[in-house]
Amino acid sequence: GAGVSQSPRYKVAKRGQDVALRCDPISGHVSLFWYQQALGQGPEFLTYFQNEAQLDKSGLPSDRFFAERPEGSVSTLKIQRTQQEDSAVYLCASSALRSGANVLTFGAGSRLTVL
Amino acid sequence: AQSVAQPEDQVNVAEGNPLTVKCTYSVSGNPYLFWYVQYPNRGLQFLLKYITGDNLVKGSYGFEAEFNKSQTSFHLKKPSALVSDSALYFCAVRDDTGANNLFFGTGTRLTVIP
Repeated sequence: GAGVSQSPRYKVAKRGQDVALRCDPISGHVSLFWYQQALGQGPEFLTYFQNEAQLDKSGLPSDRFFAERPEGSVSTLKIQRTQQEDSAVYLCASSALRSGANVLTFGAGSRLTVL
Repeated sequence: AQSVAQPEDQVNVAEGNPLTVKCTYSVSGNPYLFWYVQYPNRGLQFLLKYITGDNLVKGSYGFEAEFNKSQTSFHLKKPSALVSDSALYFCAVRDDTGANNLFFGTGTRLTVIP
């Protein structure tokens, strides 16, 4: 597609529910990133995929967070047993190359509110 | 370790005046530096980057940034601000040692006053 697409744009969950957030990166982009942006803060790194391989998950805040990209394109971020502190905007980004100099293209984000 | 500091939460400037949004960084190796802008309910949009070469980098919408290695800074500038430039601006850094993730500052909200 022309850009990075994320769904749903807004999600309200009751505490304890599981949620799944989807990211469709730009077609052909090798690298895919997930970031968490809390209100009034900058994006914080969660995890990184190169094709289908999850090369870095050091930013995932707990074992309730899980991400996958099974076919090297679409990615899903799953949060189990959501807590209020999980409320944030979850941003997905992709880039064409593995180079650190490459620009990330971001989606509009999925805003999660946990009640 | 990599980190970015944006010392100003808020910058106000009159339309037509020059603007500066400050950023300093810390990296282990050589820095790759980026500026992104975020409008309400939209994702981050790339403005410009410094990888190597000329210290003055020109980007989208008339923005530019100056890389200063001795001061470890990468301030964003524009000669003449527009009301439409009002948004949230993020500085980000990655180093050249192979780390993949981009580290972001906490953002600076720019308000251009008509």
